[in-house]
This record gives sequence, structure tokens and C-alpha cells, in this order.
Amino acid sequence: KAGVTQTPRYLIKTRGQQVTLSCSPISGHRSVSWYQQTPGQGLQFLFEYFSETQRNKGNFPGRFSGRQFSNSRSEMNVSTLELGDSALYLCASTLWTSGGETQYFGPGTRLLVL
Amino acid sequence: GENVEQHPSTLSVQEGDSAVIKCTYSDSASNYFPWYKQELGKRPQLIIDIRSNVGEKKDQRIAVTLNKTAKHFSLHITETQPEDSAVYFCAASKANFGNEKLTFGTGTRLTIIP
Repeated sequence: KAGVTQTPRYLIKTRGQQVTLSCSPISGHRSVSWYQQTPGQGLQFLFEYFSETQRNKGNFPGRFSGRQFSNSRSEMNVSTLELGDSALYLCASTLWTSGGETQYFGPGTRLLVL
Repeated sequence: GENVEQHPSTLSVQEGDSAVIKCTYSDSASNYFPWYKQELGKRPQLIIDIRSNVGEKKDQRIAVTLNKTAKHFSLHITETQPEDSAVYFCAASKANFGNEKLTFGTGTRLTIIP
């Protein structure tokens, strides 16, 4: 099976702009989670979607939003970009088995805000 | 919410020696504890995980132990090799369907000295 894919891989934006990132989970996985990784704050949970519904949300401002489509692909959007939004944005798809959950990460989108 | 502390932040060991990384968690309801390895510029990759119904799990040179009473878990790497050099993250979650949120530790940069 193909792994988790994310597009674009790199992005440069300026303050005030908005950005949309895309994630395609592993085929058959219906849950997608998003994380922000920065040197200062580490890996932080943004939100999680399952069957087009947001089930969990982290402690990020409303400028960060997301959605999931019927094919399980997910997008996250950041509006009114700030310098501090520069980060690696990772999505993970979750496999559920009788043993429990396992999250697999995509390669990430590296966002630089100037 | 859950809080995960990870120590040490950096660790250097001679090739062939063992490395141990420790994490503590705060939420006694957490029941799933994965470890991820992240090489420079790459995605976090799951290397081993443990669920709260077991105390130890091994996979070749890697082992994880869990002490639920003390709320801590550890990663053990034996016979270290240069390719083990990376940043390692522990994480915790209350893995029940509908709660796929991972809370990560701050990471340990492991350097294997040839």
C-alpha cells in the first residue's frame, strides 16, 4: 500500500496570506490527524478527522482549520499567516486493528512564513 | 490534559553500547505509548509501541518497558549502531476509538559515536 502523502512538500508565504495543505491517508484508513512540529514547541496536535467529522481539536487559534472529504483526504487551512506559523506540518493516518490504534505519518509540508 | 516529559534531551553513546530514553506521563487513563524515530529532514517513523495491558515489548535490538503505577515508560536500544542516530519521540494517548490524539515528549537527540 502507498503511504501517507502530503502536498505540497515545501511552501513559502508572506505574513497575512493564507495557505491550504493536503493529506491523503493510507488506503482504507479513515482517520487523519494533523500535527505542527517546531524546534521550540515540538510536536503538537492540531486536530483529527474521521468520516468527514472533526472529533478532536488541539489548542490552536481559530486561524487553523481543516476538513475531510468523503474519500478520507484531508486539508488544513491557515489564514492570516504569522511568522510563528513557520513549521513542519505533519499528517498521520490511523490504522485500527483488534490490538488498537497505530498512527503513520506523512512526509510533512514545510511552511516558511516571511 | 495529558503531559509527557522526556529525558534526556540529548544522549551520546559509543557504538555497541546501550541507550535508554525515559518518559513520564500524567494522565492515568492513557493506555497507548508509541515511540517514533525521526531522522533529519524525514517523517517520524514508528519503531515500537506498547499498550497498557503489557509491561514489556521487544523487537530485535529495541525494547520498551511500561510501569503503569509510576506512569513511566522507557525505550532501550542495545548494541547501538551509527544508523540509530536520530531524534526519538515518545508519545501517549488514550487510545479508544474516537480519541486518536497523541501527546508527544520533547524528543531525545541520540548520537552514536563510532
